[in-house]
Amino acid sequence: QQQVKQSPQSLIVQKGGISIINCAYENTAFDYFPWYQQFPGKGPALLIAIRPDVSEKKEGRFTISFNKSAKQFSLHIMDSQPGDSATYFCAATWDSNYQLIWGAGTKLIIKP
Amino acid sequence: ETGVTQSPTHLIKTRGQQVTLRCSSQSGHNTVSWYQQALGQGPQFIFQYYREEENGRGNFPPRFSGLQFPNYSSELNVNALELDDSALYLCASSFVGLRDTEAFFGQGTRLTVV
Repeated sequence: QQQVKQSPQSLIVQKGGISIINCAYENTAFDYFPWYQQFPGKGPALLIAIRPDVSEKKEGRFTISFNKSAKQFSLHIMDSQPGDSATYFCAATWDSNYQLIWGAGTKLIIKP
Repeated sequence: ETGVTQSPTHLIKTRGQQVTLRCSSQSGHNTVSWYQQALGQGPQFIFQYYREEENGRGNFPPRFSGLQFPNYSSELNVNALELDDSALYLCASSFVGLRDTEAFFGQGTRLTVV
């Protein structure tokens, strides 16, 4: 019940296209859902996050869509750029302690 | 840069040995969490320290232990190293208690057990 399932494992998108990564969770007690971006040799960095009382959050080219009834959320990267090539992780946690439960990650490659 | 630094960056140990990993978290943060990231996988929560006390532990055995010090530094100790302990160990610093808090990660320590 603590798991967060992420798909796809890898994704190749043409420059300018839309990258979509999906996650699903079981524990309805989670109340904070961040997405992290990780480059090789670096620690993860927060990209964007959402709470379950909101169905969508947009920051620049990055959008999270959240479906509370389906217990699913997804990351959309619009106008994908080669610099977006990285591994993306969804996570879920409780605002009270921020102990992150992570998805398995999606390796995104943007082809020029 | 996040202001969270970890040392060493790389480490090679022999099975059965003990290792100490260090983290210097951001000034003012009251919480440090440690994660284990095996190659090609998502990080796994090891434990969290809040104001120098353990405040939650993931599914890791007692040979994984930690400390948080008043000067915002933290240690992860692993005894009786096993080959499966080979991974990237990440330290995350945050201020729990604020809405929309964020965890800042260090660059990690790559541990190889041979």
